[in-house]
Amino acid sequence: DAGVIQSPRHEVTEMGQEVTLRCKPISGHDYLFWYRQTMMRGLELLIYFNNNVPIDDSGMPEDRFSAKMPNASFSTLKIQPSEPRDSAVYFCASSWSRGGGVVGAFFGQGTRLTVV
Amino acid sequence: GENVEQHPSTLSVQEGDSAVIKCTYSDSASNYFPWYKQELGKGPQLIIDIRSNVGEKKDQRIAVTLNKTAKHFSLHITETQPEDSAVYFCAATGDSGYSTLTFGKGTMLLVSP
Repeated sequence: DAGVIQSPRHEVTEMGQEVTLRCKPISGHDYLFWYRQTMMRGLELLIYFNNNVPIDDSGMPEDRFSAKMPNASFSTLKIQPSEPRDSAVYFCASSWSRGGGVVGAFFGQGTRLTVV
Repeated sequence: GENVEQHPSTLSVQEGDSAVIKCTYSDSASNYFPWYKQELGKGPQLIIDIRSNVGEKKDQRIAVTLNKTAKHFSLHITETQPEDSAVYFCAATGDSGYSTLTFGKGTMLLVSP
């Protein structure tokens, strides 16, 4: 398996523009997570899905952020409009459940977003 | 919710020495504790994990110990090598319902030749 695949790897955009980050989880995994990593705040969980259904989006910073998972092999994280403070590395991770809870998590390579 | 504290934030050792990173957690219901290694420009990589029914687990030069009573767990790396230099994260989660991982803030390990 190729692992979790994210695209693009790098994104530079102007403030106010829409940004869409993409993720392909590992086949067979039923959990998908979106994280944001910054020096100041570390790894923050933004939202996660179980069997394509959003379970908890309490980590999404504001309404400018939205995420979808239309099928088991694809998810998007959208920021509209983007702001400079959204600059960070965004990670997608997938995992599987055992006894109801998450077992490990496999991360993608991340998307480095810069909003100027 | 769960709170995971990790220390030290930075750790410098000489090649061949051992390194120990410690984490504490707050939720006594947590029972799964993975460790991740993140190299520059890459995503975190799962390197070892332990469940609460086990006190210690070893995989070559790395080992993890767990003390459920004290609610702390540690990563031990022996015979460190320069390629061990990275940021290490601990995490904790339960296995009831929709439990998710709570991460520590990370430890930057630097192994000098």
